[in-house]
Amino acid sequence: EIVMTQTPLSLRVTLGQPASISCRSSQSLVHSDGNTYLSWLHQRPGQPPRLLIYRISKRFSGVPDRFSGSGAGTDFTLKISRVEAEDVGVYYCMQATQFRTFGQGTKLEIK
Amino acid sequence: EVQLVESGGALVQPGGSLRLSCEASGFIFSDYSMNWVRQAPGKGPEWISYMTNSSQIIYYADSVKGRFTISRDNAKGFLYLQMNSLRVEDTAIYYCASGGLGYWGQGAQVTVSS
Repeated sequence: EIVMTQTPLSLRVTLGQPASISCRSSQSLVHSDGNTYLSWLHQRPGQPPRLLIYRISKRFSGVPDRFSGSGAGTDFTLKISRVEAEDVGVYYCMQATQFRTFGQGTKLEIK
Repeated sequence: EVQLVESGGALVQPGGSLRLSCEASGFIFSDYSMNWVRQAPGKGPEWISYMTNSSQIIYYADSVKGRFTISRDNAKGFLYLQMNSLRVEDTAIYYCASGGLGYWGQGAQVTVSS
């Protein structure tokens, strides 16, 4: 099983400031088809997760451009250029190269 | 508008069975692979099963393999999860989600307790 490890586990950010979350996989996420199936999701309390980024850096429909993803192989990063109040919640990385596994989550709060 | 609506959640005793349904609308269901994902209280999401649009490829997480069965009816627009030999640790909100996890339902609560 591919294990996904996120850092940090919690983050307090001032409104308007940037935020960054890292995700490391226990093995390369490059699929045999050449794609890397690494996604980022956001979850608010009482809501299902919402897809933000797929295949490392592609924003899903309706996702603001202040969210961006980067990385390759086993190391990936989600960046929020300017945190807004609605960005609070828990962020998960998820791999779909070999079945699917989620990271343990990073809780983002406003300072 | 894409909609996924789960139903069938309930309180069930350990060792019991339950079938969850997920009704899809607003997109061509037969074109999409689908997943079941669960989330235990206070925990992160756990993927448990995947099925391609034609039902030809099916995957299960080790935690449910041999006990849970995923299926679908493309003509009716439904995804199902048959859950047998339920355990206390299966207690969670169960979500259906599209293949790439772009679309999610609101979830169905399954509680396994005596």
